[in-house]
This record gives sequence, structure tokens and C-alpha cells, in this order.
Amino acid sequence: GAGVSQSPSNKVTEKGKDVELRCDPISGHTALYWYRQSLGQGLEFLIYFQGNSAPDKSGLPSDRFSAERTGGSVSTLTIQRTQQEDSAVYLCASSHRTASYEQYFGPGTRLTVT
Amino acid sequence: SQQGEEDPQALSIQEGENATMNCSYKTSINNLQWYRQNSGRGLVHLILIRSNEREKHSGRLRVTLDTSKKSSSLLITASRAADTASYFCATDANNAGNMLTFGGGTRLMVKP
Repeated sequence: GAGVSQSPSNKVTEKGKDVELRCDPISGHTALYWYRQSLGQGLEFLIYFQGNSAPDKSGLPSDRFSAERTGGSVSTLTIQRTQQEDSAVYLCASSHRTASYEQYFGPGTRLTVT
Repeated sequence: SQQGEEDPQALSIQEGENATMNCSYKTSINNLQWYRQNSGRGLVHLILIRSNEREKHSGRLRVTLDTSKKSSSLLITASRAADTASYFCATDANNAGNMLTFGGGTRLMVKP
């Protein structure tokens, strides 16, 4: 079956503009995660959705970052008023239940803020 | 700060040699997972070891877990050039809700 997909694969934007990143998880996976990875670094947790529960937003770095998950499936990560330090690869993952299960990652969106 | 820290940060070996990567973490965990990442894009799950397990094998991979030392190791035997990638450990800390915390990764290069 299809894996996790993300779009766009690459995004170049000017400082101050808003961007939306999309994630389509594996069908039937109730858990969805967003991570950020700066060049040569590990993954930084951003936000976690589990079913219809309130999302865990504890990793969002500022109030310019927000995410939603519609209908328990597709998720959109929005970054408002982008800054150069937002440049990174944004990775989405889904899992069958919780983090106790393996996570399936999408290919990521490489965001460059100029 | 990161829950997991990999050691070494970078490792270069010849094809056919074994590669050992280590991971240390700070808090009690439910399980520890190892992931592989090629070219800075999506991660691929390799193996999961639960806190009550000490060793696990999958093909050429061998993972050990020592909860008393809060450490894990990933051994890749008979390495191949195709094993060149970054390897990350990730922990599901039992007091961290449902979040996986990733270490900084080990960059492995296998020379043909």
C-alpha cells in the first residue's frame, strides 16, 4: 500500500511569508507526528495527533507554528511569518497507534527561507 | 536537551567490516528504536527493542539494550556500501506521553 506522502517536496519562500506543508499518513494509522530536522542534526519533535484527542503541541517552537489534522487523516503544518531559522526539512510520520509502535516516515519537505 | 545521544557521531569503515553504534539516554523508557536515514530525507524503521529485552536480531543487525546503563548498541555485521546512511536511536520515554525522542545520529560511511 501507499506510504506516507508529503507535499511539496521542496519549498523556497521569502522571509515573512506564510507556508503550508501537507502530510498524507498511511490509511488507518491513527497517530501522526511532525518533526523538524536542521542540516546535519537529529529530529526535533513538533506536534503529535492521536485519533480525536487534543494534539500534543509541546514541541512547537513558537506561536508562528500551527498544525491541524482534518477528519483524522491529512495534516497541514502552517508556519506564519517565516524566518530564516525555520529553514529545515520537515518530516511527517504516522503509526498504527502510539509512539510505542514503529513510525513510518514520509520523504519530508525541504523548506528554505531566503 | 536530547534524550538520546549517539556515539560516535561519524564512522568510516571498509566493506565487510562490522559497524557498532552506541546510544545513551537519560530517563526510563518503554522501548528503544533504531532508524536509518538516507540523504537527509525520510527515516526507515530498523528494529524495536522493549525495555524488558536485552538483545534482538534482524538479519545483519544486532541490537542490545542495557537499561541499568541507559544505553543501547546497534551492530551491523558484514557491512556493505549500501549501508552508508545516518542511524538514529529513538526512545519512547514512559513519562513523556507519546513522543519519540531522537538522538543526533551516527553518520556511517562504508567504503567499497
